[in-house]
Amino acid sequence: DAEITQSPRHKITETGRQVTLACHQTWNHNNMFWYRQDLGHGLRLIHYSYGVQDTNKGEVSDGYSVSRSNTEDLPLTLESAASSQTSVYFCASAGGGTDTQYFGPGTRLTVL
Amino acid sequence: QQQVKQSPQSLIVQKGGISIINCAYENTAFDYFPWYQQFPGKGPALLIAIRPDVSEKKEGRFTISFNKSAKQFSLHIMDSQPGDSATYFCAAADYKLSFGAGTTVTVRA
Repeated sequence: DAEITQSPRHKITETGRQVTLACHQTWNHNNMFWYRQDLGHGLRLIHYSYGVQDTNKGEVSDGYSVSRSNTEDLPLTLESAASSQTSVYFCASAGGGTDTQYFGPGTRLTVL
Repeated sequence: QQQVKQSPQSLIVQKGGISIINCAYENTAFDYFPWYQQFPGKGPALLIAIRPDVSEKKEGRFTISFNKSAKQFSLHIMDSQPGDSATYFCAAADYKLSFGAGTTVTVRA
C-alpha cells in the first residue's frame, strides 16, 4: 500500500543546531507540503512543492528550508534551531490542485 | 493571521448527541472546503469535503452545511460515538489549504 512516512518520530536538539526532518511518500504524488502544528494555531504551512526542483514558501517559512530532488522525498531543514521551533511537524502529499492531502504520522521536535 | 476561523475550541457531548463545529472565512477565492479528523499521535485524515456549488453534503453520520453568502460552513456529527473523540480541523483551499485552529471533541459514554 502507498504511504507517507516521516523520520525521526521524536527529536530533541539544542538551540543553534541544524536539524533535518525526513519525509518520504510512495503515492507518486507531485505535491508535497510541510506543516507545523501548535495548540491554538492549527496547522500552518511552512513550505510546499509542486514537483521536482520546485519549492515555495508558506506562511511560516522563516528559519526553514526545503529541497526537492526527486518525487518521493521532501526533507525539511531547520538551519539554526530555535526554541520557538519546538512543535509537531507534519508532512503531506497530494496528487494535484486541491486533491486530498495525505498526512504522515508527524515528528515531535523539541529545541532546548 | 488565520484565514479560517473555527469555533468552539473544544466541546463535550454525550453519546448519541449532536456535535456542531463552525468555521468562517473571508477569502472569496476559496473553492474547496474539507474537514480533517485527527486522533492523538496521528496525522490528520480527510473526513468529508464540499465545494461551494452545493449547500449540504452528508456522509454517514457526518454532514457539512455550507452558506456561501455568509462565508460560513459547519460540521455536524449526528449520533456522536466515543470513537468520534478526536480533533477536527476545517480548511479552505484556493491553490493551497488554510486550516482552522481545530476543535477537540470529547464524546462521553
